[in-house]
Amino acid sequence: NAGVMQNPRHLVRRRGQEARLRCSPMKGHSHVYWYRQLPEEGLKFMVYLQKENIIDESGMPKERFSAEFPKEGPSILRIQQVVRGDSAAYFCASSTSSYEQYFGPGTRLTVT
Amino acid sequence: DAKTTQPPSMDCAEGRAANLPCNHSTISGNEYVYWYRQIHSQGPQYIIHGLKNNETNEMASLIITEDRKSSTLILPHATLRDTAVYYCIVRVATVQGAQKLVFGQGTRLTINP
Repeated sequence: NAGVMQNPRHLVRRRGQEARLRCSPMKGHSHVYWYRQLPEEGLKFMVYLQKENIIDESGMPKERFSAEFPKEGPSILRIQQVVRGDSAAYFCASSTSSYEQYFGPGTRLTVT
Repeated sequence: DAKTTQPPSMDCAEGRAANLPCNHSTISGNEYVYWYRQIHSQGPQYIIHGLKNNETNEMASLIITEDRKSSTLILPHATLRDTAVYYCIVRVATVQGAQKLVFGQGTRLTINP
């Protein structure tokens, strides 16, 4: 059973460009979470999605950030008009209706 | 979710048991204690969770005090690969699906040869 997949693993964008981060949950998992880890800081929750629904987006910045988890395909975290402060590691986790969340390897976004 | 308190860092000799404490004095009756770890810059790894009984799996043991105000994660025979930041997290888990994890600063555990 493959684990949570994230791609790309590393992403470099210039200021003002768009960044798209993808997350494929573990097989059979219908819950997806996105977390962000700024350099030298802990992980911060961003958004929790189930198939086609956003359940909790309390950690998402109000502007430029959006997330989706369509019926088919991976979950996408989209950052428009990136700024240097968006440079971070973005982790995706998935779960079933049980209690544990399993994390992917992360996408490291660098904004130049 | 209840707040947790962990020592910022700990050291342990390779081959010895590593005991990581966590205080969660405001824990509610329906809140679980979870432990995750993050090795270097990898994604966090689930270790174990429990409600009130002690738990053991292939990775570790979790000892929860009777009043549930604190717990200890035990790595019975620490290896160099156990060097990581260990997070103790308290949260409610519902049958509809697990909720977000709130990470604190964790304990940076260093295993020394």
